[in-house]
Amino acid sequence: DQQVKQNSPSLSVQEGRISILNCDYTNSMFDYFLWYKKYPAEGPTFLISISSIKDKNEDGRFTVFLNKSAKHLSLHIVPSQPGDSAVYFCAAYFDGGNQFYFGTGTSLTVIP
Amino acid sequence: DADVTQTPRNRITKTGKRIMLECSQTKGHDRMYWYRQDPGLGLRLIYYSFDVKDINKGEISDGYSVSRQAQAKFSLSLESAIPNQTALYFCATSDLGTGRETQYFGPGTRLLVL
Repeated sequence: DQQVKQNSPSLSVQEGRISILNCDYTNSMFDYFLWYKKYPAEGPTFLISISSIKDKNEDGRFTVFLNKSAKHLSLHIVPSQPGDSAVYFCAAYFDGGNQFYFGTGTSLTVIP
Repeated sequence: DADVTQTPRNRITKTGKRIMLECSQTKGHDRMYWYRQDPGLGLRLIYYSFDVKDINKGEISDGYSVSRQAQAKFSLSLESAIPNQTALYFCATSDLGTGRETQYFGPGTRLLVL
């Protein structure tokens, strides 16, 4: 069973607008979450993380929000830029799991 | 030079053939991982290794084997390839720690099994 899901396979946004990428999880033991970004023909690269003791973490144009009661996290990109066009994966971790569980990915296209 | 390299980058093989995908890293990390990416399924862990003497199965290890030849090298083998092993394969590394450390991925190997 997929413990981490990204229900939107793709998203298109105008340059300068906000991009919101969503991620849902089923395992309440997850307590650490990350977002990775992947360009074509490259491996994923780390973007931003959040611990379950927080509900928000910001890094420049990128903000991750965590709603533990809803088992939901989201990545906000403001303002969106064409260079943000990529596939975004969320990932979750819990002690004892020994691995990150990755979501299915959302392909973001930022239209100039 | 890239910190995590994978060879080959692309491979076409036939059902029943044995193939090996190789991963090398210059980051000095102890932990190494093999993932596969499939459309609609995201990244799934095949095997991971916390050091040269430690090999662990991931979610989808059936049909695969690995070898950690050195701290810097981690190989994935398909003993008898089948078409549903057609996928994009990634190697990754991370520092030793709590397990929450950022993973650094190679560029991927695209495998097609006919």
